[in-house]
Amino acid sequence: SQQGEEDPQALSIQEGENATMNCSYKTSINNLQWYRQNSGRGLVHLILIRSNEREKHSGRLRVTLDTSKKSSSLLITASRAADTASYFCATGLSSGGYNKLIFGAGTRLAVHP
Amino acid sequence: DTAVSQTPKYLVTQMGNDKSIKCEQNLGHDTMYWYKQDSKKFLKIMFSYNNKELIINETVPNRFSPKSPDKAHLNLHINSLELGDSAVYFCASSPGTSGAKPETTDTQYFGPGTRLTVL
Repeated sequence: SQQGEEDPQALSIQEGENATMNCSYKTSINNLQWYRQNSGRGLVHLILIRSNEREKHSGRLRVTLDTSKKSSSLLITASRAADTASYFCATGLSSGGYNKLIFGAGTRLAVHP
Repeated sequence: DTAVSQTPKYLVTQMGNDKSIKCEQNLGHDTMYWYKQDSKKFLKIMFSYNNKELIINETVPNRFSPKSPDKAHLNLHINSLELGDSAVYFCASSPGTSGAKPETTDTQYFGPGTRLTVL
């Protein structure tokens, strides 16, 4: 099965609420990244957390990584309608000396005004 | 604008035809990728090139052939198109070896996608 699996598949919240998305994976990783995809658009990189890091912040985003549980979470605080998008985790794996990203199935987030 | 661009944005064609999708990046990156996103939004890597050399070649039918004439371009040619090839194809690039830290080298920048519909 896919390396990265995300939970929940879909999330619907009100503006101002926090949104938490989880990602689990199976093998050792170099890093884990989160991307956002607006409908009909390409993916946009949000944040990268290295395998030796436990938490990272970027603006309203907070990412945690627990390598013992092979899981990560993305928290978006004080959500806005503009945060409505699909969010993907991607695990960075070594492949012949290069980094290969394996994407999860994504979480569809809907933020209602 | 600095970006990853793809052409065409939409491609509608008949089964059995041969088609190409072009990708260009002006970010000065060393590494480029092709991904396929199916109707369930599942994104899977197909190929990756680093400085014109193939470095990742996933289990993809040999009807798909990538070509990288230089490190700024990575094109995807598909022969004998099948219904199952219908998907959105994304090109991406990353600094690769030209960056110093994972946050630099491994971050990928995606193009807008090409929606391929095979009838």
